[in-house]
Amino acid sequence: SQTIHQWPATLVQPVGSPLSLECTVEGTSNPNLYWYRQAAGRGLQLLFYSVGIGQISSEVPQNLSASRPQDRQFILSSKKLLLSDSGFYLCALSGGGSAYEQYFGPGTRLTVT
Amino acid sequence: AQKITQTQPGMFVQEKEAVTLDCTYDTSDQSYGLFWYKQPSSGEMIFLIYQGSYDEQNATEGRYSLNFQKARKSANLVISASQLGDSAMYFCAMRPSGDSWGKLQFGAGTQVVVTP
Repeated sequence: SQTIHQWPATLVQPVGSPLSLECTVEGTSNPNLYWYRQAAGRGLQLLFYSVGIGQISSEVPQNLSASRPQDRQFILSSKKLLLSDSGFYLCALSGGGSAYEQYFGPGTRLTVT
Repeated sequence: AQKITQTQPGMFVQEKEAVTLDCTYDTSDQSYGLFWYKQPSSGEMIFLIYQGSYDEQNATEGRYSLNFQKARKSANLVISASQLGDSAMYFCAMRPSGDSWGKLQFGAGTQVVVTP
C-alpha cells in the first residue's frame, strides 16, 4: 500500500529565513503529487501540483516554490519566509484510483515568528 | 470558478445517533467528482467517500453514505451510528470536470463533536 512521509513534523522559523519541506512516497510509481496549505481553522488551499519529475504547476502566486527531483520526492521551498506562510502543510498523492482520490501525508506544522 | 460551501461550522451529536453534514457546490460542469475527507486532531486527512456526478446511486462506505442531489448541487455526508472516534473536522471537496490531474477544491469544513 502507498505511504506518504513528510518531515519535519513541526518547524518554527524566523521571518526571512529559508524553508525546505520534504515529502516522499512509497508503494506507488509515477503519482500525481500535491502541496496544500491549511491556515488555522480553515480549509485546504492547493499550492502546487506535479504530474512528473521536473513538472511543477503553481496554483497561487506566492513566495513559495516546489520541485520534484525524483519520481517519489516532492519539495516545498522558500528563500525568505513571511509571517503569512505559517500554517499546516500537507503533501498528497493521487494515481491508480478511478476517482483520482487523493491520499495525504501526516503534514508539517510551520510557525513563522 | 467552482465553489464548495459547508454552512455548518460545528455540530454536536450524541453517540450512536446519525448526523448529516451539509455540502453544496457551484459548478457549470456536467462531469465532476465529489469527495469527503475526515481530519482528526492529529491533522492527517483521511479519504472517506467518493461520488461521481454521473453515478446513479448514492455512494456508501460502511457507516458513511453520501446523499447526492445533483439538481440541487448538494452532496451531504451521513454518518450513521456515531462513535466517539468520529469527532473530527470533515471536509467536502470537488474535482472539476476535465481535470485529469486530480486537483481538488475544498470547503471550509464542519467540526463534529460526538458526546457520550
